[in-house]
Amino acid sequence: KNQVEQSPQSLIILEGKNCTLQCNYTVSPFSNLRWYKQDTGRGPVSLTIMTFSENTKSNGRYTATLDADTKQSSLHITASQLSDSASYICVVSPNAGNNRKLIWGLGTSLAVNP
Amino acid sequence: NAGVTQTPKFRVLKTGQSMTLLCAQDMNHEYMYWYRQDPGMGLRLIHYSVGEGTTAKGEVPDGYNVSRLKKQNFLLGLESAAPSQTSVYFCASSYGAGREGDTQYFGPGTRLTVL
Repeated sequence: KNQVEQSPQSLIILEGKNCTLQCNYTVSPFSNLRWYKQDTGRGPVSLTIMTFSENTKSNGRYTATLDADTKQSSLHITASQLSDSASYICVVSPNAGNNRKLIWGLGTSLAVNP
Repeated sequence: NAGVTQTPKFRVLKTGQSMTLLCAQDMNHEYMYWYRQDPGMGLRLIHYSVGEGTTAKGEVPDGYNVSRLKKQNFLLGLESAAPSQTSVYFCASSYGAGREGDTQYFGPGTRLTVL
């Protein structure tokens, strides 16, 4: 069964610190992996998208890595800010060109405290 | 450029009532989607549309109907609301079907409670 599992479920860090969120997937075939940020009461916003041939992609202070062999991805946040408090969701697409079959993780809830 | 907007933001219904959720996008996207988000579950696709005048079922379509009469609008209807349809509903749109550049853009959501 296609699954996306994220860890930790929740995380609290101090402003200015770095953190890494994990995503393990058992999706086959595999086309691309996406990370979304979802603020409380808002819709998800895309941070990065990586195909199986890419092993890292950055978006400002956000850096995503992908190991297609071990089926693992991580999202590293550098120098966290209060505005980084949100849920971060890992999403895997099994087929290229098919948003209808996305496998969504449950997200990691990040709280950045002053 | 408002992106994706949803109406209403909140709604409380009684069991058996009907309602329509409206989604509008101003990015000239071909593809539009309706999702629901429930605690402890990832987003689930209800219905989607690949262009004006087209609709198709997603993962959890039962109890919902949709229409895409205009390219910019995608309507989600509940004919006879049930407590199990209490959820947060998100509309999304994308230029293409989902290749690497086809990011989905989401609306702010509609929080629906069915009593």
